[in-house]
Amino acid sequence: DAGVIQSPRHEVTEMGQEVTLRCKPISGHNSLFWYRQTMMRGLELLIYFNNNVPIDDSGMPEDRFSAKMPNASFSTLKIQPSEPRDSAVYFCASSLATGNQPQHFGDGTRLSIL
Amino acid sequence: QQQVKQSPQSLIVQKGGIPIINCAYENTAFDYFPWYQQFPGKGPALLIAIRPDVSEKKEGRFTISFNKSAKQFSLHIMDSQPGDSATYFCAAAGAGSYQLTFGKGTKLSVIP
Repeated sequence: DAGVIQSPRHEVTEMGQEVTLRCKPISGHNSLFWYRQTMMRGLELLIYFNNNVPIDDSGMPEDRFSAKMPNASFSTLKIQPSEPRDSAVYFCASSLATGNQPQHFGDGTRLSIL
Repeated sequence: QQQVKQSPQSLIVQKGGIPIINCAYENTAFDYFPWYQQFPGKGPALLIAIRPDVSEKKEGRFTISFNKSAKQFSLHIMDSQPGDSATYFCAAAGAGSYQLTFGKGTKLSVIP
């Protein structure tokens, strides 16, 4: 079975540019999570979708960040405009449902904002 | 209240040694305690999980010990191998909750 697929794997862009990260969850999973990982703050949950609907976006750092899930097989995380402090590894994860189900992570997008 | 405190930050052991990683929590509503393993360039992957109704759970060389009264849990890796070198994260969640609270991670190096 294919796991969670994220693209791009690496992104380097200049401050002020728009960045779009993409995620394809595991087929059949109805929960999707976006995380950010940094050395200082560890793994932080940014937003959680259930059945394509955003349930909890309290972790989104500011209005420059937005996420969408137009269908069950695709989600995007957008940063506009990007800033150097957004540099991090961004992970997408999916799970079958809530209720303490294992979360399956993609391999992440390493984002560098110059 | 929502934090999970993990120690040590890094750990170096010889092959065959038994590294132990400890986590502590405050929120008594936490009911599910998974451990994730992350290799460089990869996402975290679920390794083993425990609920507070048991004090110990083993899967292969990996064991979770759980002390409900102390609000602590730990991961032991028996007969550690260089291939176990990775970053390990403990986490906690409330019963039926989607939200995992992660510890800051422990970078384990197993040297031959």
